[in-house]
Amino acid sequence: DAGVIQSPRHEVTEMGQEVTLRCKPISGHNSLFWYRQTMMRGLELLIYFNNNVPIDDSGMPEDRFSAKMPNASFSTLKIQPSEPRDSAVYFCASSPQGGVFGYTFGSGTRLTVV
Amino acid sequence: GQQLNQSPQSMFIQEGEDVSMNCTSSSIFNTWLWYKQDPGEGPVLLIALYKAGELTSNGRLTAQFGITRKDSFLNISASIPSDVGIYFCAGSTDSWGKFQFGAGTQVVVTP
Repeated sequence: DAGVIQSPRHEVTEMGQEVTLRCKPISGHNSLFWYRQTMMRGLELLIYFNNNVPIDDSGMPEDRFSAKMPNASFSTLKIQPSEPRDSAVYFCASSPQGGVFGYTFGSGTRLTVV
Repeated sequence: GQQLNQSPQSMFIQEGEDVSMNCTSSSIFNTWLWYKQDPGEGPVLLIALYKAGELTSNGRLTAQFGITRKDSFLNISASIPSDVGIYFCAGSTDSWGKFQFGAGTQVVVTP
């Protein structure tokens, strides 16, 4: 089992640029979650999908953030335009039965916006 | 922002000692989870709790779902160096598995 795969592991970009983070969930998992982790705010849920459909995006901070899940094996989180305050570690997680039994996190993407 | 109060924020303990940490919430939860995060990695699920009063163990780790459903506790017995990391609690009332995470407890184990 390869686990949840995120790419890139590290991303440094200039303010105003578009950033796309990618996630491949564990095969067979039907729920996918995007979290953001910062020192100030801890782990925050941004959005989650069930069977590729967005269920709750109330955690997405602004219209600059968007997420898609075109199929069961791929999801993206896009920030356009990026700002320095978007700097954080972004985690993707997946679960086989909604998320109520807990989920498996990827290793994260550390985003730095300069 | 954080809606769970997790304490202590950090702990420095000697190898072999027991560790206790807890989370409290103003909300009633149906599920409590405990995760551990190592540097540069994502959190890893340690224990899941689903019933008030439930006591569950995973090796040297024991967690309890508080009777009031507003708190949970994690104990680590006979700590070893690899127990170093940040431990997070997470609570949910959502059938979809939408969890709120605590701020974490940093555990440092010295030989």
